[in-house]
Amino acid sequence: QKEVEQNSGPLSVPEGAIASLNCTYSDRGSQSFFWYRQYSGKSPELIMFIYSNGDKEDGRFTAQLNKASQYVSLLIRDSQPSDSATYLCAVNSRSGYSTLTFGKGTMLLVSP
Amino acid sequence: GAVVSQHPSRVICKSGTSVKIECRSLDFQATTMFWYRQFPKQSLMLMATSNEGSKATYEQGVEKDKFLINHASLTLSTLTVTSAHPEDSSFYICSGRAGLGNLGEQFFGPGTRLTVL
Repeated sequence: QKEVEQNSGPLSVPEGAIASLNCTYSDRGSQSFFWYRQYSGKSPELIMFIYSNGDKEDGRFTAQLNKASQYVSLLIRDSQPSDSATYLCAVNSRSGYSTLTFGKGTMLLVSP
Repeated sequence: GAVVSQHPSRVICKSGTSVKIECRSLDFQATTMFWYRQFPKQSLMLMATSNEGSKATYEQGVEKDKFLINHASLTLSTLTVTSAHPEDSSFYICSGRAGLGNLGEQFFGPGTRLTVL
């Protein structure tokens, strides 16, 4: 069974700090990886995706992928209180209709 | 990102009634749509996957006769919760994926909060 693991948190960081969110996955053949942000009571919104090993930067966000270690992370620089949300890691399955397997999410709290 | 809408955003109904939820991709053609359910403080749970013009594929434990899914066009999918009961109260979210292959990201609708009395 394909699994995506995340620490549920909450991860608390002060405003302006770097928040580091981590995710591991079990299916070694997974090919694409996504980070979604979900505010309480709202649906997930896509923040970033990454396909290749290494880093991918988009504004204050950096996604890091290490396929050998089956590990993907999201760094948020200069964290803001508005970044407080649950961050979902999603991994693409190779089989069938290419469904995404979601982790349970990490709650991030950024204090002013 | 691409835009997906859902209607209604919130519905309250009596036990035993059926509820239809619409999911539309507004600016792209969603060859595949997904339906998720999320209970409070729980993770997303995939209910079913549907491709336009085909029967939906349901996840294990999801009753296909209770949760009817129709994906009649590339921009519209509907989920009908038949004979809803209080335990069906949840946050139902659809998502659409454009194109073919294994690399397409999913774009989520805003969700429908269903409360069954």
